[in-house]
Amino acid sequence: DTGVSQNPRHKITKRGQNVTFRCDPISEHNRLYWYRQTLGQGPEFLTYFQNEAQLEKSRLLSDRFSAERPKGSFSTLEIQRTEQGDSAMYLCASSYGQGDGYTFGSGTRLTVV
Amino acid sequence: AQKVTQAQTEISVVEKEDVTLDCVYETRDTTYYLFWYKQPPSGELVFLIRRNSFDEQNEISGRYSWNFQKSTSSFNFTITASQVVDSAVYFCALSEGRIYNQGGKLIFGQGTELSVKP
Repeated sequence: DTGVSQNPRHKITKRGQNVTFRCDPISEHNRLYWYRQTLGQGPEFLTYFQNEAQLEKSRLLSDRFSAERPKGSFSTLEIQRTEQGDSAMYLCASSYGQGDGYTFGSGTRLTVV
Repeated sequence: AQKVTQAQTEISVVEKEDVTLDCVYETRDTTYYLFWYKQPPSGELVFLIRRNSFDEQNEISGRYSWNFQKSTSSFNFTITASQVVDSAVYFCALSEGRIYNQGGKLIFGQGTELSVKP
């Protein structure tokens, strides 16, 4: 297993368009997390799944954001009607139980123009 | 409420110098976990260390060492004999014990950008 994979690496979209990102976690990891990181800031928690169940959502996750993890494997994060303020790096991480911290992917950088 | 403060936004050193990155945290929990992550220019966060609140023993791993002091709510990170490859953004993070054990979130500081010049 080569780690947590995120696609695409970069996405440029026009304001108002919908975008979807994909995260493939490490195969034996049952927990999957989404974080958002803006320039010069640390990552901020968005949501997490244990298997296919979404157990927690941050207040940062407005109703334009939705995340799914069908069958407890890969996950998608969709942003509808994108706004310029959505421009950020979207990071996915996975873990098995408590683990030694989470394994992060390289992220998807979203630019809304 | 949980909070992590990394007061140093940027640090620049010359290769072979020692450098300490500061991290101060706030939590009301008695059980919690502290982390350090490295984020090189490629963007991927690389796990460095996890420490639980009951283990105040300092840790050394090669050129890296960590000083955990509950009395001052600090978890500082020192790189000895820095190298150019250490250039990255370093993040300190916190998770309250109950939340972490249930698989919950990390609270990150704003990060310290370390630049090591040859």
